[in-house]
Amino acid sequence: DQQVKQNSPSLSVQEGRISILNCDYTNSMFDYFLWYKKYPAEGPTFLISISSIKDKNEDGRFTVFLNKSAKHLSLHIVPSQPGDSAVYFCAASWSGTASKLTFGTGTRLQVTL
Amino acid sequence: DTGVSQDPRHKITKRGQNVTFRCDPISEHNRLYWYRQTLGQGPEFLTYFQNEAQLEKSRLLSDRFSAERPKGSFSTLEIQRTEQGDSAMYLCASRGTVSYNEQFFGPGTRLTVL
Repeated sequence: DQQVKQNSPSLSVQEGRISILNCDYTNSMFDYFLWYKKYPAEGPTFLISISSIKDKNEDGRFTVFLNKSAKHLSLHIVPSQPGDSAVYFCAASWSGTASKLTFGTGTRLQVTL
Repeated sequence: DTGVSQDPRHKITKRGQNVTFRCDPISEHNRLYWYRQTLGQGPEFLTYFQNEAQLEKSRLLSDRFSAERPKGSFSTLEIQRTEQGDSAMYLCASRGTVSYNEQFFGPGTRLTVL
């Protein structure tokens, strides 16, 4: 039962353009959402998060949008840079259960020159 | 560097052997998590500590797995009688009380069971 889904295994974007990574969830109990970036042979690095009481959160080049009615969130990276090439994981949690994270399967982003 | 550290980074063992991994969280973080990641999947939750108390365990954590966090500082994850299916990246994360739920991950321990 995949409660957090990232349906695009990979995405290729030109440097300077916008990257949009998508994530869907099924569990309506989730109230906090996070994006992590992962390079090979390293642990995930926290990027940005959003609470369910908000619909947008911005941090520099990264913006996360949350659509609760559609159970959908997206990560926008503008402008994309070659160093952004990595696997991006969407994660969700809810405050009632140790706040453990439930992850999607990841989207591999490649930013080309 | 005051991030989460894990040791060893890589472990190769033969089926049936026992292995133990260590995680040192960020010093002021009282919450510690273990996750497991296999190829093509996202990390999956294994267990959670608040201080020294183990408060939640996943059904993924079979009887062969045990985790401890003595004195609420570092944590160990032991796998007894390893099986080939245990081959994975084992990740440790910690979280403080100030942030809502931003968990900070260590570099992981890559386990290969031959």
